Amino acid sequence: AQSVAQPEDQVNVAEGNPLTVKCTYSVSGNPYLFWYVQYPNRGLQFLLKYITGDNLVKGSYGFEAEFNKSQTSFHLKKPSALVSDSALYFCAVRVHGSSNTGKLIFGQGTTLQVKP
Amino acid sequence: DTGVSQDPRHKITKRGQNVTFRCDPISEHNRLYWYRQTLGQGPEFLTYFQNEAQLEKSRLLSDRFSAERPKGSFSTLEIQRTEQGDSAMYLCASSLGDRGLQETQYFGPGTRLLVL
Repeated sequence: AQSVAQPEDQVNVAEGNPLTVKCTYSVSGNPYLFWYVQYPNRGLQFLLKYITGDNLVKGSYGFEAEFNKSQTSFHLKKPSALVSDSALYFCAVRVHGSSNTGKLIFGQGTTLQVKP
Repeated sequence: DTGVSQDPRHKITKRGQNVTFRCDPISEHNRLYWYRQTLGQGPEFLTYFQNEAQLEKSRLLSDRFSAERPKGSFSTLEIQRTEQGDSAMYLCASSLGDRGLQETQYFGPGTRLLVL
């Protein structure tokens, strides 16, 4: 079965420091990987995705993520954190295959706290 | 606003009552998904429509749940005889895609259901 793991419930970082939010996946086919962010009482906002090609993907708001096939990871990164980046982050996977419908499988989420 | 919209945003009901939620996807998006998110968890897939056809239903979707997308545009999710365990955030997402499944799903703000 396909699954996504976000090993950290919460990540704390000081404003201006680099941040990393970890994600690992387990799938039986070629994965399409996504990161979403959720602010309180709001829906999920798309940040970036990996489909194919360059392992380093750049997305919205200065975020990027690195796809590592051998480690089955897709960690989210940002060189310099902002207080406004504080939110709940979800990693998700969609398996490319012949019979799937494109549903996303989400991790349990990581709360990012950026302190001034 | 051309994003995904959901109505109502909040719903409080008593156990045993029926509730119905509506989702309006982004115009011309042919794919529509419903997810459920409980506190501290990532969203879980419920059901998927391609145009007006419901092509997949999760085992989470008991026979008390029904979803429709009658004209391939808006969708409704009905829960009959609500139970306290149905309390959750119900998220709708839409996307425009064909066979590749590379497209991004865009989420609405969600409907938060509380069953007393």
